[in-house]
Amino acid sequence: DAGVTQSPTHLIKTRGQQVTLRCSPKSGHDTVSWYQQALGQGPQFIFQYYEEEERQRGNFPDRFSGHQYPNYSSELNVNALLLGDSALYLCASSLGPGANVLTFGAGSRLTVL
Amino acid sequence: GENVEQHPSTLSVQEGDSAVIKCTYSDSASNYFPWYKQELGKGPQLIIDIRSNVGEKKDQRIAVTLNKTAKHFSLHITETQPEDSAVYFCAAIHYSSASKIIFGSGTRLSIRP
Repeated sequence: DAGVTQSPTHLIKTRGQQVTLRCSPKSGHDTVSWYQQALGQGPQFIFQYYEEEERQRGNFPDRFSGHQYPNYSSELNVNALLLGDSALYLCASSLGPGANVLTFGAGSRLTVL
Repeated sequence: GENVEQHPSTLSVQEGDSAVIKCTYSDSASNYFPWYKQELGKGPQLIIDIRSNVGEKKDQRIAVTLNKTAKHFSLHITETQPEDSAVYFCAAIHYSSASKIIFGSGTRLSIRP
C-alpha cells in the first residue's frame, strides 16, 4: 500500500521564480494538507484541500496557492520565490477534512538562491 | 493563536535509559495532542497521541501524559534503543481545526551506545 508520495524530492530555484510541488495521497485518503518545515524547526501549516477546494489556510501570503484534482492528488505553487522560502515542503493526507491523524510524505526540499 | 513550546531542543541519553520530552500549549481549546518522530530524510511519523479526556496513554516503551490544568504534556521513552535516535515533535490541535496541527520546535534525541 503506497503511502504519500511527493515530487520532486529536491529542487533549486532562484529568487523571483515560480515552483510547483506535487503530492499523491495515501490510497483511500481524500484530503491533502501542506506544511512548510524550515531547517531546525517544526512544520508550519500552509493550507488544506478537500473536494478540490481550499478548506483551511495558515498564515502564509497569497504567493502560496494550491490545487486538488478529482483523483485527490494535489499541487502546491509558490510564486515570486524569496530566499526565505527555502524549506522542506511536506504533504500530508487524511480521510476527511476533520481527521486528526495525518500521514506525511517525505517532502520536497526547495532551495532558493 | 495556539503556540506550542517544546523542551529540550537536544537530548542525549545512554542506551537503555529513559528519555523525557516536555511541551506546553497555550490554547485551552486544544483537545488532541499527537507526537511525531522524524528520521533523517523522512516525513514526520505519528508514534502516539492523546486526547484531552485522557490523562495518560502507553504503547509498549512509549507513554504520553497530559495535564490539562497546567497545559503540559510529555513523552516518555523507556529502555531507549539506537533506533530511537531521531527528531521528535509534539503538537496540538484545536477542536475546530482538525488538520491544522501546531507543532513544537522539535527535540533531537541521540542514544549513546
